[in-house]
Amino acid sequence: ELKVEQNPLFLSMQEGKNYTIYCNYSTTSDRLYWYRQDPGKSLESLFVLLSNGAVKQEGRLMASLDTKARLSTLHITAAVHDLSATYFCAVDKGGGGADGLTFGKGTHLIIQP
Amino acid sequence: DGGITQSPKYLFRKEGQNVTLSCEQNLNHDAMYWYRQDPGQGLRLIYYSQIVNDFQKGDIAEGYSVSREKKESFPLTVTSAQKNPTAFYLCASSFQGAYEQYFGPGTRLTVT
Repeated sequence: ELKVEQNPLFLSMQEGKNYTIYCNYSTTSDRLYWYRQDPGKSLESLFVLLSNGAVKQEGRLMASLDTKARLSTLHITAAVHDLSATYFCAVDKGGGGADGLTFGKGTHLIIQP
Repeated sequence: DGGITQSPKYLFRKEGQNVTLSCEQNLNHDAMYWYRQDPGQGLRLIYYSQIVNDFQKGDIAEGYSVSREKKESFPLTVTSAQKNPTAFYLCASSFQGAYEQYFGPGTRLTVT
């Protein structure tokens, strides 16, 4: 059974600081996804990582994937309040993503001035 | 505008009643999915469909049913057999063989 674990589950940090969210998964997969969710809202796609060594960056967020270690990281650089949200990683169940995704429990991120 | 719509946004039902949640997409996506989210939790897959007239159970299908009569529509029925139906329900869709799933705005179901 595919399991996806995120840590930390809760993170409070100050503006301007850097931090990393970790996502471990239990079975082989070449595809990993990062989503953002604001309170009471749906999920917004941030990154799709398709191969070992993939690195993607958007603004202050950078995601990477190490399929050998079954680990993805989401790095936040010089955090700003607008990045406060819950961040989820998700992994393909198989079938090129057509069989759905398995999600981590999410990291609730609060960025304080 | 292309996208995924879910209705209603909020739904209240009494215990013992079946309820159907709507999901429609005009993105011409082949695959559609239903997920459930409980407070403080990640999403869990209920059902998915890769083509019309075919669907598969996800991780937590018990107490739910679906149909896929049209490519654009994938309604979810929460039956009285679902023991804890109160949750946030999210529908998603994607192209067949594509990597990214797009999510609808969600339906918040409360059963008392």
